[in-house]
Amino acid sequence: SAVISQKPSRDICQRGTSLTIQCQVDSQVTMMFWYRQQPGQSLTLIATANQGSEATYESGFVIDKFPISRPNLTFSTLTVSNMSPEDSSIYLCSVVRPPNEQFFGPGTRLTVL
Amino acid sequence: GDSVTQMEGPVTLSEEAFLTINCTYTATGYPSLFWYVQYPGEGLQLLLKATKADDKGSNKGFEATYRKETTSFHLEKGSVQVSDSAVYFCALITQTGANNLFFGTGTRLTVIP
Repeated sequence: SAVISQKPSRDICQRGTSLTIQCQVDSQVTMMFWYRQQPGQSLTLIATANQGSEATYESGFVIDKFPISRPNLTFSTLTVSNMSPEDSSIYLCSVVRPPNEQFFGPGTRLTVL
Repeated sequence: GDSVTQMEGPVTLSEEAFLTINCTYTATGYPSLFWYVQYPGEGLQLLLKATKADDKGSNKGFEATYRKETTSFHLEKGSVQVSDSAVYFCALITQTGANNLFFGTGTRLTVIP
């Protein structure tokens, strides 16, 4: 299994500000993923974060809005920039461990006023 | 492309009723299949998984069988409890390409006493 922690667990932010979410894993992993779960919706992949290279973003998500850092094999951050109420969601990081099992962090519940 | 189609909810059952939540998939190659559960106010947890055809995943009284011929992975439980009330997500990881999960839309289950 994998132990994944996220900070903050929740936040309430004002429109136009930015929030950085941290994800820490208990052991080294190659790939980390960031997902968004909008209210009442399923999970949507934002990007894949590999250590030592730029993140790979899915269609509909751009680096200027969701910059990601991956400074080492156990840590990543996702920033939600210039927030609007539409960004209110749960943001989750996850990792994959052999054989193809994905573990999720507890999520960060973001509310934008 | 890869996708998961999940039975729409919400589903409301009486305690001790039989549960089926349908899930079918489209994928290239031979995916691994998963059911995740999200209890109220909590993060996503892996419920069960199957990595090859005819495998049966089971956990906490829930079962799902990987049916390649019908491209299905239906979730079943013989006797649900109030504590099973949650949102259930069917998901897959493809054996080719990136190792991120594709999720179904989720099915909300409410079990009433």
